[in-house]
Amino acid sequence: DADVTQTPRNRITKTGKRIMLECSQTKGHDRMYWYRQDPGLGLQLIYYSFDVKDINKGEISDGYSVSRQAQAKFSLSLESAIPNQTALYFCATSDEGRGSTDTQYFGPGTRLTVL
Amino acid sequence: GQNIDQPTEMTATEGAIVQINCTYQTSGFNGLFWYQQHAGEAPTFLSYNVLDGLEEKGRFSSFLSRSKGYSYLLLKELQMKDSASYLCALPYGGATNKLIFGTGTLLAVQP
Repeated sequence: DADVTQTPRNRITKTGKRIMLECSQTKGHDRMYWYRQDPGLGLQLIYYSFDVKDINKGEISDGYSVSRQAQAKFSLSLESAIPNQTALYFCATSDEGRGSTDTQYFGPGTRLTVL
Repeated sequence: GQNIDQPTEMTATEGAIVQINCTYQTSGFNGLFWYQQHAGEAPTFLSYNVLDGLEEKGRFSSFLSRSKGYSYLLLKELQMKDSASYLCALPYGGATNKLIFGTGTLLAVQP
């Protein structure tokens, strides 16, 4: 089984709808991240969490919210989806920061299309 | 702040060697990561350099020069499966657990 899973893998929704993307991990890592990837723009950090009680905004948090339900689960919500949120979304995890052990492990991604 | 620059695309021939460059600017250096990403898939970790020099891992090697703000990924004995994007990433925020990614270099390996 994959260490980092994301659901759904693909989603098409309409403008104004609320949508939740879910991420689960079995790696036992405390740190979890949400990124979006757009063609030509690379990966951009939306939110990150260093433990269940710690949530932080990333570079592009506007229009998004998150919930860390447990060490293993980190959800990303779009309260009112808009077309420019169409992108590939990745969840990632990492162990506590100690140089190379900060390696981030990515889930398979969710392809979101907002019409 | 941080800035990363990579070539957008490269083409190479199966069996050859290719070097993918990354130049960067950062206010506080804390290592540099390379990731591989096949189209539509998750990025996967390739290497992490924090000291100057070359680190070799099988067919892949990564080089760092902190004084020049420069790194490269060297891929030897290219295989078709090496066709992917290669992402250079810098930690920021005083630790290594937040990353800023370059836009990636799309490598096409031709027969």
